[in-house]
Amino acid sequence: QSVLTQPPSVSGAPGQRVTISCTGSSSNIGAGYDVHWYQQLPGTAPKLLIYGNNNRPSGVPDRFSGSKSGTSASLAISGLQAEDEADYYCQSYDSSLSGPLFGGGTKLTVL
Amino acid sequence: QVQLQESGPGLVKPSQTLSLTCTVSGGSISSGGNYWSWIRQHPGKGLEWIGYIYYSGSTYYNPSLKSRVTISVDTSKNQFSLKLSSVTAADTAVYYCASVPGSGSYSDYWGQGTLVTVSS
Repeated sequence: QSVLTQPPSVSGAPGQRVTISCTGSSSNIGAGYDVHWYQQLPGTAPKLLIYGNNNRPSGVPDRFSGSKSGTSASLAISGLQAEDEADYYCQSYDSSLSGPLFGGGTKLTVL
Repeated sequence: QVQLQESGPGLVKPSQTLSLTCTVSGGSISSGGNYWSWIRQHPGKGLEWIGYIYYSGSTYYNPSLKSRVTISVDTSKNQFSLKLSSVTAADTAVYYCASVPGSGSYSDYWGQGTLVTVSS
């Protein structure tokens, strides 16, 4: 069964920079499929944060950036703010699933 | 801007069929290009793709749920629907509908989600 592995939690102080990793395999990220990221604030639906590895939808601050290399991808958040405290999910297409595969999610705590 | 809204019973008995509808506004479900997706989130857990449908009716399902899932579209009402049969407590989750642009595999617009509890 395919998985996208994320750290369960990360934390940082206001103003700092944090990164969240997403590790996949040859059936998803490693196969060249794009990686996307979502932010889920408590009690709300996920919101698209990054699409196509490093593209931000309109309205998403440029403090958020994405990258991809090999079988992994990363989400970077710079200038951390209290409002960034949320769960973050990576997602890629998986050929074994023949559909989108989500990572397990990472809880970001702003200290 | 496209908006999506889920509707349906919040409580379903075990062994019965869960039925949800997603109403799309701000855009036509049959304008082409988009897939229309169902995703669920078990309490306190991550996201799980259930399946999606193209406006033409072509469907794609998660293999782990395929035997129990049916997704359909009603273009006249600008809605698409989910049916999940033979539910158990393990199907208790928040169910989201979302749009997936044909150019990518990501979900750009999401409904607010609806909690469905399976219990007798």
